[in-house]
Amino acid sequence: TQLLEQSPQFLSIQEGENLTVYCNSSSVFSSLQWYRQEPGEGPVLLVTVVTGGEVKKLKRLTFQFGDARKDSSLHITAAQPGDTGLYLCAVRESGGYQKVTFGTGTKLQVIP
Amino acid sequence: DTGVSQDPRHKITKRGQNVTFRCDPISEHNRLYWYRQTLGQGPEFLTYFQNEAQLEKSRLLSDRFSAERPKGSFSTLEIQRTEQGDSAMYLCASVWGGTQYFGPGTRLTVL
Repeated sequence: TQLLEQSPQFLSIQEGENLTVYCNSSSVFSSLQWYRQEPGEGPVLLVTVVTGGEVKKLKRLTFQFGDARKDSSLHITAAQPGDTGLYLCAVRESGGYQKVTFGTGTKLQVIP
Repeated sequence: DTGVSQDPRHKITKRGQNVTFRCDPISEHNRLYWYRQTLGQGPEFLTYFQNEAQLEKSRLLSDRFSAERPKGSFSTLEIQRTEQGDSAMYLCASVWGGTQYFGPGTRLTVL
């Protein structure tokens, strides 16, 4: 059983459309991160959300942490081809060695 | 470029051969992680170094895998007697202020 389940697994949309990606778990987290990974590159951190119900915006990307801190969503408005990539949610251990556990990933393709 | 670098970027090898990958973290970052990522999946933790000390290893890291960070700077990951199931992207990340900075990865293909 995956700690973090993402949906959908794949998403192919036209430029200009809106989309939402979900990250769900049965566990409660102190914080949650979103990364984007482009083909042939390593993941790049987009945002960290730490408070239940928190909403953060990064240009056309809106991230929300669930009230119960078990889930999160990423909404992209007016998607562009440059948004194409693998979107990963992740949690970092709060103590210990702070390793990051990644979700299953959502592969997004934005068609011009 | 002062980011995390990895070498080689691609490696094709025959089953049974040994391979070694190198990671150069961002200087001053004393924490370094190795991850493995198969196609379309999220990365999975392999091992963690603080300076030269290897402090945690995943059970994914079988006895064919060994990692070192001899002087607390660059790190190497060696796979002995490679198997087809070892084909994956091997990612390295160094950490500052709680943020992991990933390298571009080494894509390993075992034929």
